[in-house]
Amino acid sequence: DAGVTQSPTHLIKTRGQHVTLRCSPISGHKSVSWYQQVLGQGPQFIFQYYEKEERGRGNFPDRFSARQFPNYSSELNVNALLLGDSALYLCASSLVGNTEAFFGQGTRLTVV
Amino acid sequence: RKEVEQDPGPFNVPEGATVAFNCTYSNSASQSFFWYRQDCRKEPKLLMSVYSSGNEDGRFTAQLNRASQYISLLIRDSKLSDSATYLCVVTDSWGKLQFGAGTQVVVTP
Repeated sequence: DAGVTQSPTHLIKTRGQHVTLRCSPISGHKSVSWYQQVLGQGPQFIFQYYEKEERGRGNFPDRFSARQFPNYSSELNVNALLLGDSALYLCASSLVGNTEAFFGQGTRLTVV
Repeated sequence: RKEVEQDPGPFNVPEGATVAFNCTYSNSASQSFFWYRQDCRKEPKLLMSVYSSGNEDGRFTAQLNRASQYISLLIRDSKLSDSATYLCVVTDSWGKLQFGAGTQVVVTP
């Protein structure tokens, strides 16, 4: 079985641009969460979706948005990119909310 | 105050030795507890779940103390391959993961 897959793996964008990151959860997993990890820190929670509904939002500006599709895959969108948005963006899937979560390899975003 | 706090280390451990470290969490309503391992520039990987009764997986032992709101991890007979950052994670009822900043462990020959 495939694990959590994220695309793209690496991305370079210019300040002010928009980016869309994609995540496919493990088959059968209905909960998808997004995290941002900057160097030297633990991952920070951005969004959680369960059964296509937003179940939680972290302390991120409205430039960050996400959605979950009927097949449980998910997209994270970031508008008006800032240099400070450069980070590793991680997607995690789990069967239901508070069971073990498994991570994709992440998307490394660099904003220049 | 951070919701999950860990000693960042690094813990420098001779090969074959035992190392232990803790994390503390602030939300008494936290539901589930985990240790993840993260290698440099890679994604976190689940190491083990943590239960109040304590649990062991090979050379790794985890313990949860709900009254004092701390979680511990002990690694016995350390291997070079145990060198990594260990992330303490607590969740709410919806599974929102709160991470500590990680404890770096360096196992030396």
